[in-house]
Amino acid sequence: AQKITQTQPGMFVQEKEAVTLDCTYDTSDQSYGLFWYKQPSSGEMIFLIYQGSYDEQNATEGRYSLNFQKARKSANLVISASQLGDSAMYFCAMREDNYGQNFVFGPGTRLSVLP
Amino acid sequence: ETGVTQTPRHLVMGMTNKKSLKCEQHLGHNAMYWYKQSAKKPLELMFVYNFKEQTENNSVPSRFSPECPNSSHLFLHLHTLQPEDSALYLCASSQGAGPQNYNSPLHFGNGTRLTVT
Repeated sequence: AQKITQTQPGMFVQEKEAVTLDCTYDTSDQSYGLFWYKQPSSGEMIFLIYQGSYDEQNATEGRYSLNFQKARKSANLVISASQLGDSAMYFCAMREDNYGQNFVFGPGTRLSVLP
Repeated sequence: ETGVTQTPRHLVMGMTNKKSLKCEQHLGHNAMYWYKQSAKKPLELMFVYNFKEQTENNSVPSRFSPECPNSSHLFLHLHTLQPEDSALYLCASSQGAGPQNYNSPLHFGNGTRLTVT
């Protein structure tokens, strides 16, 4: 069974607007970490933001914030004030048992920012 | 040089060739990973090394053979590959397992785009 679900294969957003990319996850662990990565067309995977399962506050990192709803097992990425350079694939990932090493990735969402 | 470096960036090989992918990290991390990224598929974990010891082999065919001589270097040896092995191969590192590293993300290299003809 897929542990990370990203239901939006593709999204469009107008430049300077905010956009939310969905991520739901499945785990029976109490301790886990959730990560978002950006992959531009050049191929490198860029770490954006992290949320721990015990973190009470939603994570924020510049224009990126994470809408973490633990009971719903969702960890949506919010990008504010979209820029053309935000056009890329975005992947949600989970590391179960915060001490573990295995990161599981979702299928990704392709975001296109329109001028 | 900093970060995670992968060579070569592009590789074309025939099914009977033997080649190796190289990964080097300058972040002082203890864990290194190989991931495979195929078109329209999620990233697939292939191998994990923690302190040079292989801790994960995700049912990868034996035509892929990893080697981790130290915590900074990771190789993926390739032989008698199939066309379906064509993909982007990503190396990553992290600080490794342990309670002090619970929020440590993966740091990726730029990948090797492999084409098997």
